[in-house]
Amino acid sequence: DAGITQSPRYKITETGRQVTLMCHQTWSHSYMFWYRQDLGHGLRLIYYSAAADITDKGEVPDGYVVSRSKTENFPLTLESATRSQTSVYFCASSDGWGGGDTQYFGPGTRLTVL
Amino acid sequence: QKEVEQDPGPLSVPEGAIVSLNCTYSNSAFQYFMWYRQYSRKGPELLMYTYSSGNKEDGRFTAQVDKSSKYISLFIRDSQPSDSATYLCAGSKETSGSRLTFGEGTQLTVNP
Repeated sequence: DAGITQSPRYKITETGRQVTLMCHQTWSHSYMFWYRQDLGHGLRLIYYSAAADITDKGEVPDGYVVSRSKTENFPLTLESATRSQTSVYFCASSDGWGGGDTQYFGPGTRLTVL
Repeated sequence: QKEVEQDPGPLSVPEGAIVSLNCTYSNSAFQYFMWYRQYSRKGPELLMYTYSSGNKEDGRFTAQVDKSSKYISLFIRDSQPSDSATYLCAGSKETSGSRLTFGEGTQLTVNP
């Protein structure tokens, strides 16, 4: 399927466990992003990547790790999940990263940390 | 203080009403302003974007930016039940690599 997909769509885990959220895009977009969406905060950028093997921190990177060995994949890992990481996570991609470039969002992963 | 403020609502209107959604922002360096629409349990999708001040129209939707008052608006004419969604405003600087700063989103319901 063309577009941007995320897996799993729903995940329940326990505090302290490692969790990896997957993101895959078929457009060969250079840029990929991870956001979290929380009530009262809107969407906040966690990490982004400008190309394979190039990643950088966003607004709220603590507790998260990313990698990008292939252009189309951008996994997000919570090394030791905490309750405060309960959120809806969105992956996005774009061809460029200027103000006029559209970011295309995936369907989201709803993560609950018990 | 958040860089982009948006009343989360919820906002409920009858079908056919004109809807006005608004945001304020504090960062004077913002030059691009976007409106994203997010249906329940889905990812946001870009609805419209404008550059600097002015209006932009696309069908029933009009985006308006007033940089002097740091005010962003989205108007929906002849609203439809299919417009029921959360609408997120966002701003970014002109510089390449500037991240989007989102408002919290306003939840809109259009009742048949």
